[in-house]
Amino acid sequence: EPEVTQTPSHQVTQMGQEVILRCVPISNHLYFYWYRQILGQKVEFLVSFYNNEISEKSEIFDDQFSVERPDGSNFTLKIRSTKLEDSAMYFCAIRQQGSYEQYFGPGTRLTVT
Amino acid sequence: GEDVEQSLFLSVREGDSSVINCTYTDSSSTYLYWYKQEPGAGLQLLTYIFSNMDMKQDQRLTVLLNKKDKHLSLRIADTQTGDSAIYFCAESPTTSGTYKYIFGTGTRLKVLA
Repeated sequence: EPEVTQTPSHQVTQMGQEVILRCVPISNHLYFYWYRQILGQKVEFLVSFYNNEISEKSEIFDDQFSVERPDGSNFTLKIRSTKLEDSAMYFCAIRQQGSYEQYFGPGTRLTVT
Repeated sequence: GEDVEQSLFLSVREGDSSVINCTYTDSSSTYLYWYKQEPGAGLQLLTYIFSNMDMKQDQRLTVLLNKKDKHLSLRIADTQTGDSAIYFCAESPTTSGTYKYIFGTGTRLKVLA
C-alpha cells in the first residue's frame, strides 16, 4: 500500500494568517487530492491535481485556497487568509495511474482561533 | 445531485456480525469503497467493489452491491473490539473525470465486549 505522510500533524493559527499544509507521497504518484473533514461532519472533496494543474475543484475551494507541487515531491495546500470555519482535518490522498483507489495520509488538524 | 447516506451508529457484541449500510445516488460510479477511520487517525482503505460485481469477499469482510437500488453494504464477520471505528463508504463518479470521492456521513461502529 502506498504511503503518504502529512506535515504538520496539528497546526494552530490565528484568523487571517496564511497556512501551508504539506503532503509527501513516498512513491511516485500522478494524481493528488485534498479533502477536509470538519469535526463531526462528512469528508468533503476540495481539489484534485494532475500533471501540475488543478483538474477539478469544489465550491469550497475558493480564491483563498491554492495548491502546488513546487519541487516534484511535496504537494501543498495553502490557505491565504484563514477563517474560523477553516478549522478542520485536512487529508491528502494519492492515486496511481491505471488504478482508481486513493490512499490517504494521516491528516493535518488545523485549528483557527 | 451526488449524495451518499449511511446510518450514524451501530452497536454490536464481540463475536457477532456487523452490517453497515450505505445508499448512493450516482449510477455512473464505477467503483465503490469502504474506508475505516480510527480515533485521531486517517482513512484506511478496507476494500472496494467494481460496479459490475454483486459481491466481494475479503477475509472477514463481505461487500454486497445492489446496483438497481444503489445500495452497498459491508459485513464484518466475528466482529472484534479492534473493529470499533467509523466506517465510510464512498463513491467515485466517473462523470467527474478525476475520480474524486463522494463520502458518506460515516457509521460509528461500537463493539461491546
